[in-house]
Amino acid sequence: KAGVTQTPRYLIKTRGQQVTLSCSPISGHRSVSWYQQTPGQGLQFLFEYFSETQRNKGNFPGRFSGRQFSNSRSEMNVSTLELGDSALYLCASSLDGGARGDEQYFGPGTRLTVT
Amino acid sequence: GESVGLHLPTLSVQEGDNSIINCAYSNSASDYFIWYKQESGKGPQFIIDIRSNMDKRQGQRVTVLLNKTVKHLSLQIAATQPGDSAVYFCAENIGGYSTLTFGKGTMLLVSP
Repeated sequence: KAGVTQTPRYLIKTRGQQVTLSCSPISGHRSVSWYQQTPGQGLQFLFEYFSETQRNKGNFPGRFSGRQFSNSRSEMNVSTLELGDSALYLCASSLDGGARGDEQYFGPGTRLTVT
Repeated sequence: GESVGLHLPTLSVQEGDNSIINCAYSNSASDYFIWYKQESGKGPQFIIDIRSNMDKRQGQRVTVLLNKTVKHLSLQIAATQPGDSAVYFCAENIGGYSTLTFGKGTMLLVSP
């Protein structure tokens, strides 16, 4: 079974631009979560989508948004990029998002560099 | 590969030693905990989990201990191997669903 895939793997953008990252979950998984990973802050939860609806949201500004399509694929968008948005963005999928015993599978991440 | 190990505490062990990685959590309402392993260039990989109604759970070469009194979690790796070298994160579930709060991580370095 194919794992979680994320595209692109690497991205370089300029301050003020916007970016869209994509995540394809494992086949049959309906929950997709996004995390931001930086050396200083570690792994931080961004949001979770289930059946095309945002079900949970972390403490990030409105510049960070996402969506999920009917095939469970998800995208996240960051507008008006800032230098501090440079990070590894990780996507995780699970069957239904019930964290207790419903294992989350992570993709390899997208490394975003903002210059 | 991706550098996720900056600013992290590091545990250095010899191959064959037992390793113990510790994690403190802050929210007494957390009732589900997971340990993840992250190798360079890869996303976190599930190792083992434990619910708050347990204080110990064993897997293959790994044991997780939970002490709710002092809000402490530990991961024990038996007979550590060079392939165990990675960053290890504990995560707690607060609020249900897929909202996981991760610890800062510990880098484990295993020398042959």
